[in-house]
Amino acid sequence: NAGVTQTPKFQVLKTGQSMTLQCAQDMNHEYMSWYRQDPGMGLRLIHYSVGAGITDQGEVPNGYNVSRSTTEDFPLRLLSAAPSQTSVYFCASSYSTAGSTDTQYFGPGTRLTVL
Amino acid sequence: EDQVTQSPEALRLQEGESSSLNCSYTVSGLRGLFWYRQDPGKGPEFLFTLYSAGEEKEKERLKATLTKKESFLHITAPKPEDSATYLCAPKGDYGGSQGNLIFGKGTKLSVKP
Repeated sequence: NAGVTQTPKFQVLKTGQSMTLQCAQDMNHEYMSWYRQDPGMGLRLIHYSVGAGITDQGEVPNGYNVSRSTTEDFPLRLLSAAPSQTSVYFCASSYSTAGSTDTQYFGPGTRLTVL
Repeated sequence: EDQVTQSPEALRLQEGESSSLNCSYTVSGLRGLFWYRQDPGKGPEFLFTLYSAGEEKEKERLKATLTKKESFLHITAPKPEDSATYLCAPKGDYGGSQGNLIFGKGTKLSVKP
């Protein structure tokens, strides 16, 4: 199994541009989530999904959109990038839903810079 | 409000010098507490899950313990390859943070040879 994969690894955007961060998992996990990690702060939850067709907001959802059309994929969309969205983004997945105690497995991350 | 505090923020040890990392938490209805290791430029790597006060788990030079308000990650005779940032993440029930993980800011551990 490849586990959780993320593309791209690095991205530079200009303010106002849009882009999609890709996340895929091959473990048949129901739960997937997106976090951002900034210096001096813990990982913060952006959006999460408990299954195909179901998404919900986390702690810092503003400026980001998600959808979950398949079990495997959970893309994160930035519609109009802002410098405040410069961060490292991690995707994670686990077998069962948010309230379970299943282990979340993380991808390698996407480092995004918005100029 | 659910909160997690890790201390110290950074810890420098000599090889072989044992120490402990602290994770204090306030979480509604703790369902489990997770420890992760994160190397620079990488995603967090799962280490342990603790479910109830008094539980302990070990892996090589690491031992994690849990009380009702804190978790400790004890590092015995560390080696330079143990250098990393260690993240603590409790998970509460749906009355708290929607049952999702709440991450601390981490403790950056450096072990010098």
